[in-house]
Amino acid sequence: DSGVTQTPKHLITATGQRVTLRCSPRSGDLSVYWYQQSLDQGLQFLIQYYNGEERAKGNILERFSAQQFPDLHSELNLSSLELGDSALYFCASSVSAGGPLSGELFFGEGSRLTVL
Amino acid sequence: ILNVEQSPQSLHVQEGDSTNFTCSFPSSNFYALHWYRWETAKSPEALFVMTLNGDEKKKGRISATLNTKEGYSYLYIKGSQPEDSATYLCAATSGTYKYIFGTGTRLKVLA
Repeated sequence: DSGVTQTPKHLITATGQRVTLRCSPRSGDLSVYWYQQSLDQGLQFLIQYYNGEERAKGNILERFSAQQFPDLHSELNLSSLELGDSALYFCASSVSAGGPLSGELFFGEGSRLTVL
Repeated sequence: ILNVEQSPQSLHVQEGDSTNFTCSFPSSNFYALHWYRWETAKSPEALFVMTLNGDEKKKGRISATLNTKEGYSYLYIKGSQPEDSATYLCAATSGTYKYIFGTGTRLKVLA
């Protein structure tokens, strides 16, 4: 058990809908990272928050947004869903901010999104 | 753009064989190189974090080396066991706060 909690574990929805994925980091970790893993793809970096502020952005679509709350949990909002958004979405946390202070990442079990 | 590449994509070895994989990354503005082990139906778990050129890390039968000048890292598994079967991911941070992952090497150890 990594200590990172993601909900829901599975989610099935229709095209055009909006969903919210939630992540609670390990106790004491200030950084939260979101990754997308589509079929036969590696882990694609979406976005990072550190202590409530956006720190780095990857290939995150404009239809997607995220935030980190004062209690450090994070939510990833996916809207106007398309079939291609079906993927496993991982959240990871780290005690450090990243960059020159690159501590190991602790991953949640992922949220599997299926868009029909 | 930070591009992290891993080879081979997949590998089948016999139990008891030793094996190694490669991770290549841009050497400019390098901060750290991570190795993760990802078993099917689980989440990735960190094996090593390396930052200095020439770093060598070891955990049991698994070890890793780092060459930051030429931008590569090797992961070695000595005497592979079926429980070593997993996808091995490397991730690099370089000049940004992003952890960029390679696509992984899928290892299958045959009993």
